[in-house]
Amino acid sequence: AQSVAQPEDQVNVAEGNPLTVKCTYSVSGNPYLFWYVQYPNRGLQFLLKYITGDNLVKGSYGFEAEFNKSQTSFHLKKPSALVSDSALYFCAVRPDNTDKLIFGTGTRLQVFP
Amino acid sequence: DVKVTQSSRYLVKRTGEKVFLECVQDMDHENMFWYRQDPGLGLRLIYFSYDVKMKEKGDIPEGYSVSREKKERFSLILESASTNQTSMYLCASSPIGGMQPQHFGDGTRLSIL
Repeated sequence: AQSVAQPEDQVNVAEGNPLTVKCTYSVSGNPYLFWYVQYPNRGLQFLLKYITGDNLVKGSYGFEAEFNKSQTSFHLKKPSALVSDSALYFCAVRPDNTDKLIFGTGTRLQVFP
Repeated sequence: DVKVTQSSRYLVKRTGEKVFLECVQDMDHENMFWYRQDPGLGLRLIYFSYDVKMKEKGDIPEGYSVSREKKERFSLILESASTNQTSMYLCASSPIGGMQPQHFGDGTRLSIL
């Protein structure tokens, strides 16, 4: 079955430190990959995507993600975390031949001052 | 900017009632989606529509139906609400093709008493 895994329910990081939120997927073909962020009582907001090309993609608010085909991973990163980055982060994958997305279960990022 | 508007932010209904959740998008997107969000489960697709009057079941369609009579509007219907349908419901839209991200509304938090 096709699936997306976010192995950490919560990630804690001190402000100013680098952060990584992990995502791996099990999908056949050449999927499109997305990261979304959700703030309290809001819908999901798009952060960045990988479609093709350079494995390192840059997105909103200083976030970036690295696509690794051999490890089927798409980890979200930021060089220096802000308290305002604290939110719920979702990885999503669009398999071949569909416009639907498969979402991970989400990772709560907590950035401490 | 794309705007996806869900008619209610909070809704309280009683068991057995027929419940309508409305979603409107203003970007002429072909695709519209209804998701359910529960802690620890991420987003699960209830129904997907790729055109007016066209629909496709998602992962958890039981107990739900949908209506898409106009391109901009996608309604989710709980035929006979039950307490296990208490959840956050998110609507999204996207252009056809899968390369562009889905755009989300702010969600409807539905409580069934």
